[in-house]
Amino acid sequence: AQTVTQSQPEMSVQEAETVTLSCTYDTSESDYYLFWYKQPPSRQMILVIRQEAYKQQNATENRFSVNFQKAAKSFSLKISDSQLGDAAMYFCAYTFMGSYGKLTFGQGTILTVHP
Amino acid sequence: DSGVTQTPKHLITATGQRVTLRCSPRSGDLSVYWYQQSLDQGLQFLIQYYNGEERAKGNILERFSAQQFPDLHSELNLSSLELGDSALYFCASSVALSEYDTDTQYFGPGTRLTVL
Repeated sequence: AQTVTQSQPEMSVQEAETVTLSCTYDTSESDYYLFWYKQPPSRQMILVIRQEAYKQQNATENRFSVNFQKAAKSFSLKISDSQLGDAAMYFCAYTFMGSYGKLTFGQGTILTVHP
Repeated sequence: DSGVTQTPKHLITATGQRVTLRCSPRSGDLSVYWYQQSLDQGLQFLIQYYNGEERAKGNILERFSAQQFPDLHSELNLSSLELGDSALYFCASSVALSEYDTDTQYFGPGTRLTVL
């Protein structure tokens, strides 16, 4: 069975600093996709970034980038120049080819940003 | 705004009752997914529909059922409600056409269900 593990229940960062959120996953599939979703206090689930497993290049979206280590089954999210609006719960998620896109989520990491 | 709408935003009901949650996908999306977010279970996939047909099922209780209508909106029916069914229920949509599609899912704002 596929599992996603976020080992950091909570993280904190100073405004303008950089923080890295960790995620590991377990799968026997070869063709899969990984995501980071952000859930602010409004509870809306917002896509942050997406990574295709077949791509060696790490995905980036403005201040957000990932470190995808396929062999280690690790998928961490780096947030640069942290802003107060980045404060949220962050979920790592996984899906694979053949699953109709259903997502398996990690437990989430609460990120606090200090001014 | 993701383009996915869900109604109602909040629902308070009693144990044993039945409720219906409604979702309208983004324009052009044929796939609808339902997820449950609770404190003890986290975020869990419940069920997926594509163009009116059920395509994938997760840990959905027998007391729960869903359907997708010809206009592509979907409803999640929860019956014989228990205290443990209190959760945030999300709908998401994507353009995924088959089991081989992994298009990004866009989530609605959720319906918060409280069972007293």
